[in-house]
Amino acid sequence: DVKVTQSSRYLVKRTGEKVFLECVQDMDHENMFWYRQDPGLGLRLIYFSYDVKMKEKGDIPEGYSVSREKKERFSLILESASTNQTSMYLCASSLGGALHFGNGTRLTVT
Amino acid sequence: QQPVQSPQAVILREGEDAVINCSSSKALYSVHWYRQKHGEAPVFLMILLKGGEQKGHEKISASFNEKKQQSSLYLTASQLSYSGTYFCGTELNNAGNMLTFGGGTRLMVKP
Repeated sequence: DVKVTQSSRYLVKRTGEKVFLECVQDMDHENMFWYRQDPGLGLRLIYFSYDVKMKEKGDIPEGYSVSREKKERFSLILESASTNQTSMYLCASSLGGALHFGNGTRLTVT
Repeated sequence: QQPVQSPQAVILREGEDAVINCSSSKALYSVHWYRQKHGEAPVFLMILLKGGEQKGHEKISASFNEKKQQSSLYLTASQLSYSGTYFCGTELNNAGNMLTFGGGTRLMVKP
């Protein structure tokens, strides 16, 4: 089974802090994704990577950046956290076809 | 553009059937369906690629209309384990799985 692991289940950060969310997958998948999930809005794509060091903006990239230095690891960075970035963040990977999701990181920015 | 899912929520008794719809204003390359239980990761159910396609997974099946703008998920003889939020994810073209998800349909199955 594919395993997608997100480093933290819950995070509480202060406004203005730099925040790193880490995601690791163990199936050599080329594609990795970061989504945020908010009630009633479904999952919205923040960034997507189809190879090491390659990235594409999704629907809501503002306020976020990403890093993919190794195939198995995809990091989401909030350069200066704001309260409107309080959300559930989901990482996913795929080889084409089904997306495999991690359990999510619930981030609260106070 | 985000697909529109309906209904937003549905409550069923065990054994009842339900249909969840997912509509797009543009023709799609593919539709994915996922289920997310409370506090857990979304889990892949199925993918539809061809217009007119129907696909089944135990008592859960889905269709993709000929114009490839609408998909429906059918839950037959629902079980308690079907409870959760169902999401459709759509691709406009074959561009590496960049899915746009609908807002979700919350399904609750009662005994």
